[in-house]
Amino acid sequence: SQTIHQWPATLVQPVGSPLSLECTVEGTSNPNLYWYRQAAGRGLQLLFYSVGIGQISSEVPQNLSASRPQDRQFILSSKKLLLSDSGFYLCAWSTVYGYTFGSGTRLTVV
Amino acid sequence: AQTVTQSQPEMSVQEAETVTLSCTYDTSESDYYLFWYKQPPSRQMILVIRQEAYKQQNATENRFSVNFQKAAKSFSLKISDSQLGDAAMYFCAFAAGGYQKVTFGIGTKLQVIP
Repeated sequence: SQTIHQWPATLVQPVGSPLSLECTVEGTSNPNLYWYRQAAGRGLQLLFYSVGIGQISSEVPQNLSASRPQDRQFILSSKKLLLSDSGFYLCAWSTVYGYTFGSGTRLTVV
Repeated sequence: AQTVTQSQPEMSVQEAETVTLSCTYDTSESDYYLFWYKQPPSRQMILVIRQEAYKQQNATENRFSVNFQKAAKSFSLKISDSQLGDAAMYFCAFAAGGYQKVTFGIGTKLQVIP
């Protein structure tokens, strides 16, 4: 079966600290992978998407970066977190049938 | 660029009644997909229903159905026999292009009243 794993579920980090969120998928090859952010009371904002290893497209300029070191692994990173990076981060992969989302990471920058 | 508009920030429905959530979109694409996603308090995003633009027949999934009006670029979700478990945020979404990038609306919060 096709599944997506995302961790950690919750993270509290101080301003200026680094960030690494990981997402892996199982049961599929060469998936299109995405990172979304959902701010409180807001919709989903697409941050990055990847159509293959090493291929990253950024949708909005920001303090974050993404990498895809393996076919089924997608990583969201930051060298120095800002307060405005707080939010709920969702990883997803897509087929023509729709998106399958991970369970999300709630990031609080303090 | 595609846009998705959900004009109802909040809706409420009595248990066992029917409710319709509205969604409009704007695109120049001719081939695309439309989705409704549900996000309960757990925040897990769950696909409720999908519609291919080339299909004229409205999609249905049990108690969930859509009214797809392609010319009007409208895609509403009807929930019949509403249940307490239907209470959630509902997001309308649009996807086109080779990599299936999805654009989401800002969501409608549905409350189900016992």
